Amino acid sequence: AQRVTQPEKLLSVFKGAPVELKCNYSYSGSPELFWYVQYSRQRLQLLLRHISRESIKGFTADLNKGETSFHLKKPFAQEEDSAMYYCALSVGTDKLIFGTGTRLQVFP
Amino acid sequence: GAGVSQSPRYKVAKRGQDVALRCDPISGHVSLFWYQQALGQGPEFLTYFQNEAQLDKSGLPSDRFFAERPEGSVSTLKIQRTQQEDSAVYLCASSLAGWENIQYFGAGTRLSVL
Repeated sequence: AQRVTQPEKLLSVFKGAPVELKCNYSYSGSPELFWYVQYSRQRLQLLLRHISRESIKGFTADLNKGETSFHLKKPFAQEEDSAMYYCALSVGTDKLIFGTGTRLQVFP
Repeated sequence: GAGVSQSPRYKVAKRGQDVALRCDPISGHVSLFWYQQALGQGPEFLTYFQNEAQLDKSGLPSDRFFAERPEGSVSTLKIQRTQQEDSAVYLCASSLAGWENIQYFGAGTRLSVL
């Protein structure tokens, strides 16, 4: 079955601390993975996708097929990073399967 | 338009009432998706259109849910005889399709069934 797991509902860190939001997936095909972010009172928006291999707002994510993971990392968290983060897997007709999300709180 | 537009933003319905939710995608976007997001959960896929063709409706939870996109642009998600478990945020997303495969989301419609 196709599934995305985000084990942490809430992750709290202090400004300047490293952040890692975990994402594991289950999919028999070739995975295409995304991280979406939802800031307070804003719509869901794409943060990054694995095929782009970009760093967006200091965030990176590496696809590890052996561990079926796509963890999101940032070396130094900022207060403006506080948001809801969703990992998503694209399957079949390009529909997205989302995890349950992790709320990141960055304290000053 | 600046992005995907959904209306209404909020809808309160009495149990048993029919509702219609509208999505206006980004101009020129071929693909359109509907998702349902229950409180505390991630969005869950409902249905997908490529132009006017509904290619995947595997996520629709019951035959009370119906979606259409007759001219390949605006889409409507209709829920008949609403139930309390239908209360959720309904998200619409559009994409250019093909290699680009980036979905742009609307702000959603929050449906509350009393």
